[in-house]
Amino acid sequence: DVKVTQSSRYLVKRTGEKVFLECVQDMDHENMFWYRQDPGLGLRLIYFSYDVKMKEKGDIPEGYSVSREKKERFSLILESASTNQTSMYLCASSFLAGAGEQFFGPGTRLTVL
Amino acid sequence: GNSVTQMEGPVTLSEEAFLTINCTYTATGYPSLFWYVQYPGEGLQLLLKATKADDKGSNKGFEATYRKETTSFHLEKGSVQVSDSAVYFCALKRGAGNNRKLIWGLGTSLAVNP
Repeated sequence: DVKVTQSSRYLVKRTGEKVFLECVQDMDHENMFWYRQDPGLGLRLIYFSYDVKMKEKGDIPEGYSVSREKKERFSLILESASTNQTSMYLCASSFLAGAGEQFFGPGTRLTVL
Repeated sequence: GNSVTQMEGPVTLSEEAFLTINCTYTATGYPSLFWYVQYPGEGLQLLLKATKADDKGSNKGFEATYRKETTSFHLEKGSVQVSDSAVYFCALKRGAGNNRKLIWGLGTSLAVNP
């Protein structure tokens, strides 16, 4: 089974802190994605990566950056956390070829105080 | 542009009722279509998919048929259970070119009462 793991299920940080969210997948997928999920807004893509050291902005990249130094790991960075970044963060991965189905981690619920 | 529209929730049903969650899409070319499910406190998981017109995806008693003429991919289940309570997301991936992203609907919350 494909496994996507995220470093924390719950995280509480203070405004202005630098926050790292880590995601690891074990199926050698080329593509990795970071979403945030908010009530009434569905899933919104923050960034995605299609190869090591390659990244593209999604729909809401402002206030975020990403890092992909190894194929299996994709990190989301909040340089200076703000209260409006309180959200559920979901990581996903997929093969480059294929129908495009994405495999998700369990999510990290981040609260910024 | 490309988009996915789902019926708004929440949907509340009694156990053993028939379920339909509507999903329509706008896309150029020949997209692949997906239904994902998110159980409380968990990430999303793929429920079923269809990659070409008239395909029927099915899993766990759920079905959806890719209807190009009506640009729809409605999710159905003949008899829901309490354990089906979750949020359901419809999504599409454009078929043309090297496109990796999914276009998502907003999700439909389903609550099944015993």
